[in-house]
Amino acid sequence: DQQVKQNSPSLSVQEGRISILNCDYTNSMFDYFLWYKKYPAEGPTFLISISSIKDKNEDGRFTVFLNKSAKHLSLHIVPSQPGDSAVYFCAARLDSNYQLIWGAGTKLIIKP
Amino acid sequence: DAGITQSPRHKVTETGTPVTLRCHQTENHRYMYWYRQDPGHGLRLIHYSYGVKDTDKGEVSDGYSVSRSKTEDFLLTLESATSSQTSVYFCATRTGATYEQYFGPGTRLTVT
Repeated sequence: DQQVKQNSPSLSVQEGRISILNCDYTNSMFDYFLWYKKYPAEGPTFLISISSIKDKNEDGRFTVFLNKSAKHLSLHIVPSQPGDSAVYFCAARLDSNYQLIWGAGTKLIIKP
Repeated sequence: DAGITQSPRHKVTETGTPVTLRCHQTENHRYMYWYRQDPGHGLRLIHYSYGVKDTDKGEVSDGYSVSRSKTEDFLLTLESATSSQTSVYFCATRTGATYEQYFGPGTRLTVT
């Protein structure tokens, strides 16, 4: 039973436009959410995070939105650049737990 | 980024043979993790460590064991490799102060 779901395996976006990656979760006890980016043959790298007490966090071109009532978070990338082409994973943390629960990832393709 | 190395980076082995993967970190992070990544599953936690000689099981621990005798090293052992353990294995570390995990470059293991 997947507690963190990324329902879009892939997404194609024109360079310069906005990329929106979505993530849904089922466990209301998650208290912290993270987004990672992964290039082929490399390990995931941390991108941005958000605490469950907030609804938005911004870092440069990246913004994460959290809708707790809908158990949904999204990552917005504006403007999208060719270097953003990668697999994006969302992950969630359970309070007082050392583990992160990961989604299956969304492959983002930025078209020139 | 944390200095995390994994060895070997690639390995092909036969069914039934023992295999040990090594993760080495130079950042003195307290927490260390072993994940496997398979298509459609994202990252799944195998085992983790919250200190020297302190380890616990993750979501998919069957067939795997770990050891951590020093802060900097976390070993993952497949006692008798099976074809279902063909995967990409990632090591990650975390300080105690934040939730972000830092990943190594991965080990691609093929069991024939």
